[in-house]
Amino acid sequence: AQSVAQPEDQVNVAEGNPLTVKCTYSVSGNPYLFWYVQYPNRGLQFLLKYITGDNLVKGSYGFEAEFNKSQTSFHLKKPSALVSDSALYFCAVTGGGNKLTFGTGTQLKVEL
Amino acid sequence: GAVVSQHPSRVICKSGTSVKIECRSLDFQATTMFWYRQFPKQSLMLMATSNEGSKATYEQGVEKDKFLINHASLTLSTLTVTSAHPEDSSFYICSAAGLAGETQYFGPGTRLLVL
Repeated sequence: AQSVAQPEDQVNVAEGNPLTVKCTYSVSGNPYLFWYVQYPNRGLQFLLKYITGDNLVKGSYGFEAEFNKSQTSFHLKKPSALVSDSALYFCAVTGGGNKLTFGTGTQLKVEL
Repeated sequence: GAVVSQHPSRVICKSGTSVKIECRSLDFQATTMFWYRQFPKQSLMLMATSNEGSKATYEQGVEKDKFLINHASLTLSTLTVTSAHPEDSSFYICSAAGLAGETQYFGPGTRLLVL
């Protein structure tokens, strides 16, 4: 069985500061890892993914994530947060099949 | 690219009626489409996976006779909630994946309220 843990329900950060949203996973075989963002009453927007290759993945809107196999983590990062980044962030994993397993989500709040 | 639309965005219906939700991939061919349900402040729950031209695969606990899924073409899948009841009120989100399959692109969601 595959699973995703997002240990923080909410992350607060000041605008301009770096942000990190944590994600750890469990899957059989090689993981396919994803980050999505959801704004209120909207569907999910794809941010980035890791399939293979470089452990540091760059995605949309200045976000990046680092795949760490030994720690089974895929934390989402951004060097300088914006108020407009405030949203709900989901990490997801699949073991190569097409069925995604999502974490419970982390609410990011960026304040002035 | 990779745009997925859903219609309607919001629907209110009376208990006992049926509601159809459409999911379209606008700029790519979706060999596989997925239907999710999301409760307030919770994660997405996969309801079913549908492949074009074949029957949908439902997750455990999801009633296939209540949630009818049709994936008639490579750009359209529909979810019909039959004989809707207030407990079916939820946010329904579809996603679509192309031939490569590894990335799902999500629709904007449909808010269903059953009175």
